[in-house]
Amino acid sequence: DAGVIQSPRHEVTEMGQEVTLRCKPISGHDYLFWYRQTMMRGLELLIYFNNNVPIDDSGMPEDRFSAKMPNASFSTLKIQPSEPRDSAVYFCASSKGTTRAFFGQGTRLTVV
Amino acid sequence: GIQVEQSPPDLILQEGANSTLRCNFSDSVNNLQWFHQNPWGQLINLFYIPSGTKQNGRLSATTVATERYSLLYISSSQTTDSGVYFCAVPDYKFYFGSGTKLNVKP
Repeated sequence: DAGVIQSPRHEVTEMGQEVTLRCKPISGHDYLFWYRQTMMRGLELLIYFNNNVPIDDSGMPEDRFSAKMPNASFSTLKIQPSEPRDSAVYFCASSKGTTRAFFGQGTRLTVV
Repeated sequence: GIQVEQSPPDLILQEGANSTLRCNFSDSVNNLQWFHQNPWGQLINLFYIPSGTKQNGRLSATTVATERYSLLYISSSQTTDSGVYFCAVPDYKFYFGSGTKLNVKP
């Protein structure tokens, strides 16, 4: 298995632009998580899905953030419009139930 | 939510030394996982350990669920062990500790 795949690995965008981060979970996993990591806040859970349904989005910072999971093999996290304070590393992770979770390599987002 | 506390926050070792990292959690859990974030930022799942002890090479982990703590042992540390070690407690969503930053010097 190729593991959790995220794209792009790096994204530099201007303030106000729309940013879309993508994630392909491990096949057969029914949970998908989006995390954000910054020096100040550490690892923050933004949203998680179970069987493609959003279960808890209480960590999504603002209405500018949205996430979708149209099928079991694909999820997106969108920021519109982006702001400099959104700069962070965004991780996607997947698991089967609450067993071992596996993380993607992350997307380093820089908003200038 | 579940509170997860890790100690120590920072640790500096000379190559070859042994160390113990601790993770305390505030509520009963069904499992606990240890992760290593290497200097390149990649998060690697080291152990899925609801209870008891597991070993993987120079690393081993012990979870005592009844007393709400887990320990990660690193023996004969190497520079490649450097990075941040997180424990995470899943309760449908994963609650992460703030991590132990380990620096192994040659």
